[in-house]
Order: sequence, then structure tokens, then C-alpha cells
Amino acid sequence: EVHLVQSGGGLVQPGGSLRLSCVASGFRFSSHVLNWVRQAPGKGLVWVSSVSGEDGSTFYADSVKGRFSISRDNSANTLYLQMNRLRADDTALYYCTKGLLTFPLSTSWGPGTLVTVSS
Amino acid sequence: EIVLTQSPGTLSLSPGERATLSCRASQSVRSNYLAWYQHSPGQAPRLLIYGVYSRATAIPDRFTGSGSGTDFTLTISRLEPEDFAVYYCQQYGDSPFTFGQGTKVEIK
Repeated sequence: EVHLVQSGGGLVQPGGSLRLSCVASGFRFSSHVLNWVRQAPGKGLVWVSSVSGEDGSTFYADSVKGRFSISRDNSANTLYLQMNRLRADDTALYYCTKGLLTFPLSTSWGPGTLVTVSS
Repeated sequence: EIVLTQSPGTLSLSPGERATLSCRASQSVRSNYLAWYQHSPGQAPRLLIYGVYSRATAIPDRFTGSGSGTDFTLTISRLEPEDFAVYYCQQYGDSPFTFGQGTKVEIK
């Protein structure tokens, strides 16, 4: 069974930084693309970023490009999202999700971690 | 960027009725890489359908996906109480891998 355990959320001031982590188990970690998806309060789901399993290729939404960095440590079965220059509109519940091999859909979801950007 | 527009915004139906949800793309979705998700309050979203037609693991057969190109449909044949939720489509063929804005299926 797939398990995704998330950590690293919290309250941060505008302009600050935060790193989210997601420890995975129950599948061959290095074989699958991994994603971050977020949901702002009262809003819908928004894709944020993806990283491929094999070559580590990365993809970003325009709204976070240049500020956020996705990475993975295949030896530790861990996905990261480094978030810099945070803004109020980055406030959201952030989900770590597992893709399907090279396909960046979300077959399994973590419970989400809340990021609040406020002074 | 492919924009996905879902309709209607809200669908008010009774248990046992049929639900038809639409997802229209601003341009053709590559290789029909189109998925549907269900999101119930207080839970993480759940994958229902991928590749337009294929049901994910343990998804009951009352959920059916159809369509091609730019027009896609999720049909729930007979609504069960647990099906009242928000539904999202997502295209994963071209980055950015965009979601639709969602359709809420509520109890009438």
C-alpha cells in the first residue's frame, strides 16, 4: 500500500522560505514521477510542480517558477519542495502525490500540509 | 497552457440519479491524457479515471469516463450518498498539467 507522509508546513512571513518534505513507501520510488498540488482556502486544486523518476526532469507552474524548487532523494524515498520568496497567494494546503511511471497524474495523495504566508 | 473548463459549476441531484459532468479543453489533450478526481470534504482527493476511460484501482463501475480531443465527460450512473463531492478533471499531456475549476455534486 502506498503511504505518503508529509511535513514542513507552517506559518511564514511574506518573502520568507519554507521546505516541504514527503516520505514515501509502498512502491518503487525511483520509477515514478512525483508531484505537488495545492489548494488555497475555498478554491480548487492547482498543479504546482512535478519531477520525473529517472532523469529528474522538473516542471513548474508559471506562478511558482523561479521561486519554488522541486527535488527528490531516491536513496531516502523523499520528495521536497523548497519554497522561496513566499507570497500571501501561496497560502494553501499542499499535497504530495505519486504519479504513474512517467505520467504526472496523481494516483495516490498525501494528507496535505498547510502553508500560511502572513505577517 | 491548456485551460480546462468544467460545467456545470454545481449539479443538484438526488441519490440514485445519473450525473453527467463535462470538461472542455482549450486545445486538444495530447494522447487523451485526461484524468478525473473526486474530492470529499476533509479528505485527500482520489483518482477515479485516467487516460479518459480507465478506472483507477477499486473505483466502482458506476463511474465512467468518455470523450476525446477537447471534450470529455464523467458519468456517474446512479449516485450513492458517498458520491456527493467535488470533481476535477486534469490534463497531464503537456506542462503545465492543469486542473479544471471543479464541479460540485450536491444533494438536491
